[in-house]
Amino acid sequence: AQTVTQSQPEMSVQEAETVTLSCTYDTSESDYYLFWYKQPPSRQMILVIRQEAYKQQNATENRFSVNFQKAAKSFSLKISDSQLGDAAMYFCAYLHGSSNTGKLIFGQGTTLQVKP
Amino acid sequence: DAGVIQSPRHEVTEMGQEVTLRCKPISGHNSLFWYRQTMMRGLELLIYFNNNVPIDDSGMPEDRFSAKMPNASFSTLKIQPSEPRDSAVYFCASSRQGAQETQYFGPGTRLLVL
Repeated sequence: AQTVTQSQPEMSVQEAETVTLSCTYDTSESDYYLFWYKQPPSRQMILVIRQEAYKQQNATENRFSVNFQKAAKSFSLKISDSQLGDAAMYFCAYLHGSSNTGKLIFGQGTTLQVKP
Repeated sequence: DAGVIQSPRHEVTEMGQEVTLRCKPISGHNSLFWYRQTMMRGLELLIYFNNNVPIDDSGMPEDRFSAKMPNASFSTLKIQPSEPRDSAVYFCASSRQGAQETQYFGPGTRLLVL
């Protein structure tokens, strides 16, 4: 069974600095998708970024970028120029590529604190 | 475009009562998902619909839970009778064209069963 592990329950970063959130996953499949979702105190789950496993290029979305290491099964999220609004819980998620269930498997989450 | 809409946003009820949660997916999305988030178990998929048809309901915890999607723009998740352990945040998400597409989440319904 696939699993997703976020080993950092909490992280903090100074405003305008860069922070990296870690995520590892376990799968025997070669076709899959990885996501980072942000959950602010409002509880809304907001998509941050998506990575297709077949793509070698790391996905980027403005200040957010990933370091996807397929062989190491690692998928970290880098937030550059951190802003107060980035404070939230961040979830890493895995989706099997040939899944017909759409079942996202989530990590435990990392709470990010941004200090002014 | 409007995002996924869920109602109510908060629900407080007493044990044994029926609870109905509602979801309107993003227009044009063919797939709809119900998730539950608790401190103990994190985020779990309850059920997945594609083109209004339930494809996978293996995550539905027990017979007290039921979900329907009578048309492309509306789904309900019903708990009858409710129990305190059902207290959680329930999310609805939708995506285009099936299970491999990116899922967009609604704001969630926070349910408290006393």
